Amino acid sequence: DAKTTQPNSMESNEEEPVHLPCNHSTISGTDYIHWYRQLPSQGPEYVIHGLTSNVNNRMASLAIAEDRKSSTLILHRATLRDAAVYYCILGSTGGTSYGKLTFGQGTILTVHP
Amino acid sequence: GAVVSQHPSWVICKSGTSVKIECRSLDFQATTMFWYRQFPKQSLMLMATSNEGSKATYEQGVEKDKFLINHASLTLSTLTVTSAHPEDSSFYICSARFGQGNQPQHFGDGTRLSIL
Repeated sequence: DAKTTQPNSMESNEEEPVHLPCNHSTISGTDYIHWYRQLPSQGPEYVIHGLTSNVNNRMASLAIAEDRKSSTLILHRATLRDAAVYYCILGSTGGTSYGKLTFGQGTILTVHP
Repeated sequence: GAVVSQHPSWVICKSGTSVKIECRSLDFQATTMFWYRQFPKQSLMLMATSNEGSKATYEQGVEKDKFLINHASLTLSTLTVTSAHPEDSSFYICSARFGQGNQPQHFGDGTRLSIL
């Protein structure tokens, strides 16, 4: 399975933008880039996903490098409720790993008031 | 939209008993459902994948006779932990997906299982 590398932790101040990086140098052409987040004692929450082009939704933006070897999740104005573990995951659309998500350790985001 | 309900949210039971956990997609039909397990301070580990009407596919190292999965309809999957022991205590989380493999998974809130 293609793997991702994320910083263990990041900190931000409330109402400031947050850029969460993710490296995935072994990404294959059919792998989608997914972002999920998990609050303590809850199941993960889908944030955003994309293949090649940058994506925007009501929660965040996803900026994907031209070579697709890295991506950045952008929270435009962090709130205290955005404090969570953020997972960057490559979703395979081929082979035996079709549709599976392999969770790494993620980035613990702390938001300061 | 895309709500997944998991029940119960927590359960405590004696060693040797069997526990059933339900996972329902409330507002969409789930082509595929997944079951994960998460130990304290660790990440999620995929246990099995199930498609409606088919036998579940288990990940390597997961005992299929211990963790029985039934996916009888497009909105319901169940995980039964049979003859549970203290080492089975964990946070069990289901997810559901509609459509192709590139579509996102939507997760339940998890079930905290404690075996005494």
